[in-house]
Amino acid sequence: NAGVTQTPKFQVLKTGQSMTLQCAQDMNHEYMSWYRQDPGMGLRLIHYSVGAGITDQGEVPNGYNVSRSTTEDFPLRLLSAAPSQTSVYFCATLAGHAGELFFGEGSRLTVL
Amino acid sequence: KNQVEQSPQSLIILEGKNCTLQCNYTVSPFSNLRWYKQDTGRGPVSLTIMTFSENTKSNGRYTATLDADTKQSSLHITASQLSDSASYICVVSSGGYNKLIFGAGTRLAVHP
Repeated sequence: NAGVTQTPKFQVLKTGQSMTLQCAQDMNHEYMSWYRQDPGMGLRLIHYSVGAGITDQGEVPNGYNVSRSTTEDFPLRLLSAAPSQTSVYFCATLAGHAGELFFGEGSRLTVL
Repeated sequence: KNQVEQSPQSLIILEGKNCTLQCNYTVSPFSNLRWYKQDTGRGPVSLTIMTFSENTKSNGRYTATLDADTKQSSLHITASQLSDSASYICVVSSGGYNKLIFGAGTRLAVHP
């Protein structure tokens, strides 16, 4: 039982490049989400999904794209990387509205 | 505006001592309040979840309190250990999957 698995753990990109951060969960949770964590700030919601085929924008969605074709996977795509997207990205699942939030180990992205 | 403020920003204590971390929030409506522990380079891990009707909740040496009237919460750590060195994040939910508001965290260092 791996929980929430994120890949890659580290990535360096050049401005304008695109890439996909992968997130997979084996807890059968309907809700999945992507956050970014920047120094001195709380985690901010990028995109979330309440089930396969359903996605919605969070607080900071610009420059990111998501899809949810299966319950297990929720990839985050950076369309054209910018230095402002340098951050640590966390995927999380939620067991119901009042349930526990389970985080992956994070993906540290640097955009040069 | 919904906000969660944590204090202090950082704290250094000696091993074996107790400490208390503070969380003040201006979130409405209020659904629940969560405390997470985040080790360096790892994802946050849940410590406690409290609803409106709960004013104290313990998880081992961690005890969280909630005063819904003053909109304040605290996390008390008893007999600190070196492994308690981490960031502690307060999260308030106003209901709904996309309604989690994160504090910036308190960074705790426990020295021998």
